[in-house]
Amino acid sequence: DVKVTQSSRYLVKRTGEKVFLECVQDMDHENMFWYRQDPGLGLRLIYFSYDVKMKEKGDIPEGYSVSREKKERFSLILESASTNQTSMYLCASQNEATQHFGDGTRLSIL
Amino acid sequence: AQRVTQPEKLLSVFKGAPVELKCNYSYSGSPELFWYVQYSRQRLQLLLRHISRESIKGFTADLNKGETSFHLKKPFAQEEDSAMYYCALSGGGYQKVTFGTGTKLQVIP
Repeated sequence: DVKVTQSSRYLVKRTGEKVFLECVQDMDHENMFWYRQDPGLGLRLIYFSYDVKMKEKGDIPEGYSVSREKKERFSLILESASTNQTSMYLCASQNEATQHFGDGTRLSIL
Repeated sequence: AQRVTQPEKLLSVFKGAPVELKCNYSYSGSPELFWYVQYSRQRLQLLLRHISRESIKGFTADLNKGETSFHLKKPFAQEEDSAMYYCALSGGGYQKVTFGTGTKLQVIP
């Protein structure tokens, strides 16, 4: 069974801080994704990566960056956190177009 | 551009009643369509995909290319079906997946 692990379930940070969200998968999948999930807006793609050191912008990349130094790990970085980045963040790895999700990180920016 | 539309934010049905969650899509090629489900306090997970043409937990979905729809159906709703349902589309291969805004299904006992 695929396991996608997000480092934190809940996180509280302050405006202006640099925030790191970590995601690890154990199935050697090439593709990994970061989404944010907001009520009424569904899942919106922030960034995705199809290989180590490769990244592609999703639909809402502004204010975010990513890092993929190893195949199993995909990190989302909020360069300077703002209150409108308060959200649930979901990481996923993909195998044959099927996505496998982590439990999510509920991030609050105060 | 690919787009997925789920017109209903909330769908309430009585236990034992039929369920239909609507999904329409926009895509220029041949899409792969999926339904994902998120039960309370659980992670988002795949429910079914159109290419497998199988029934999962009594749910089925048929891809209608003429109407560009992929509605999710179940003949008799159960209380445990209460959850958030997302329709999703992929262009196949290593392309991104686009999700709809989700429909919350509430099954009333």
